[in-house]
Amino acid sequence: DTAVSQTPKYLVTQMGNDKSIKCEQNLGHDTMYWYKQDSKKFLKIMFSYNNKELIINETVPNRFSPKSPDKAHLNLHINSLELGDSAVYFCASSRLANTGELFFGEGSRLTVL
Amino acid sequence: SQELEQSPQSLIVQEGKNLTINCTSSKTLYGLYWYKQKYGEGLIFLMMLQKGGEEKSHEKITAKLDEKKQQSSLHITASQPSHAGIYLCGADSNSGYALNFGKGTSLLVTP
Repeated sequence: DTAVSQTPKYLVTQMGNDKSIKCEQNLGHDTMYWYKQDSKKFLKIMFSYNNKELIINETVPNRFSPKSPDKAHLNLHINSLELGDSAVYFCASSRLANTGELFFGEGSRLTVL
Repeated sequence: SQELEQSPQSLIVQEGKNLTINCTSSKTLYGLYWYKQKYGEGLIFLMMLQKGGEEKSHEKITAKLDEKKQQSSLHITASQPSHAGIYLCGADSNSGYALNFGKGTSLLVTP
């Protein structure tokens, strides 16, 4: 069983569309994250949720809206997609909010045409 | 915010050779984490260092944190093709609730 699973793994879409990426963890962790990895492999934190509550929003455009229906799920919805949104999006989880041992999903590669 | 500089940016070594990757912080590190990313996959946690002078090893990989807690090194002994990937160092963000990462070091091990 995959500990942190993301779907879809690949997503190709047109500018202006709206898309969602789903993430689920079966580790019983309290905290989940979304990271963005750009074409230069730079990994940057976007959001962090602890027990379904948003604790970090790192100056991400309002077009990005995370939703955590329960502790095991953190979905990412993106409105009005732009070319610059093309990246690999990683979901991760950790047992506690202030620990650096993160468990990552395999990533969702988003390509905006 | 804390910046992490990694060097070298990329590395190609022959199988069996030793190598070192460095991570330097602009601020004192209270937690330094090493991760490995295989190409096309997610990151895997390797080690965490917290105390000045601390050293940890896992199989053929050794990580150290200097006494001043601003620099860490990752050393691989007798590299193998399975060591190939991107190595990233991470440190607690200002909020303490996420990690900031360096830009990574891409390692290729040739036969």
